[in-house]
Amino acid sequence: QKEVEQNSGPLSVPEGAIASLNCTYSDRGSQSFFWYRQYSGKSPELIMFIYSNGDKEDGRFTAQLNKASQYVSLLIRDSQPSDSATYLCAADLNDYKLSFGAGTTVTVRA
Amino acid sequence: EAQVTQNPRYLITVTGKKLTVTCSQNMNHEYMSWYRQDPGLGLRQIYYSMNVEVTDKGDVPEGYKVSRKEKRNFPLILESPSPNQTSLYFCASQKNKLHYYEQYFGPGTRLTVT
Repeated sequence: QKEVEQNSGPLSVPEGAIASLNCTYSDRGSQSFFWYRQYSGKSPELIMFIYSNGDKEDGRFTAQLNKASQYVSLLIRDSQPSDSATYLCAADLNDYKLSFGAGTTVTVRA
Repeated sequence: EAQVTQNPRYLITVTGKKLTVTCSQNMNHEYMSWYRQDPGLGLRQIYYSMNVEVTDKGDVPEGYKVSRKEKRNFPLILESPSPNQTSLYFCASQKNKLHYYEQYFGPGTRLTVT
């Protein structure tokens, strides 16, 4: 079992809709969780991180963490064509390493 | 400007020919790491370094070497490349081992081994 699993996608949403991305992790010791955005041919860019159970909002992005269910999600509200990218979920393994999911590709239709 | 640079950006080589991919950061970061990215597998850590002369294996270290003689540089060495090392490689740096929220990635090196 992979340490971090993401819904495989691809995910296609109309402009203005909410894109919902999901991620589960296997290591209960993981403390910190990260969402990266990666445009095609570019390097990953950190967009959100979350440590505590609950929601964390930053502009149009909301990260949600449920440690009991070992579940992290990212919501993108009012999706824009510029949000079209691959989104990577990552969890720290408490030994100063990050484990990444395979990524979910999002396409926002104009 | 804070940045991580990698060279070369693209490389096509043949099996067994030693190569080095350089990585340099200008932020005085202690922690640096190398990842490879393959379709369907996401980013996998190859090696990391918590400071000068301190390196450790990540998840997929086989076939790779690294060194950290200076704080700013963290080269990735493939002593005898094989086709299964064809991949997209990223170097990353952060202030220290805990500062993942300030992790900077280099632009990537696309390596093809024939």
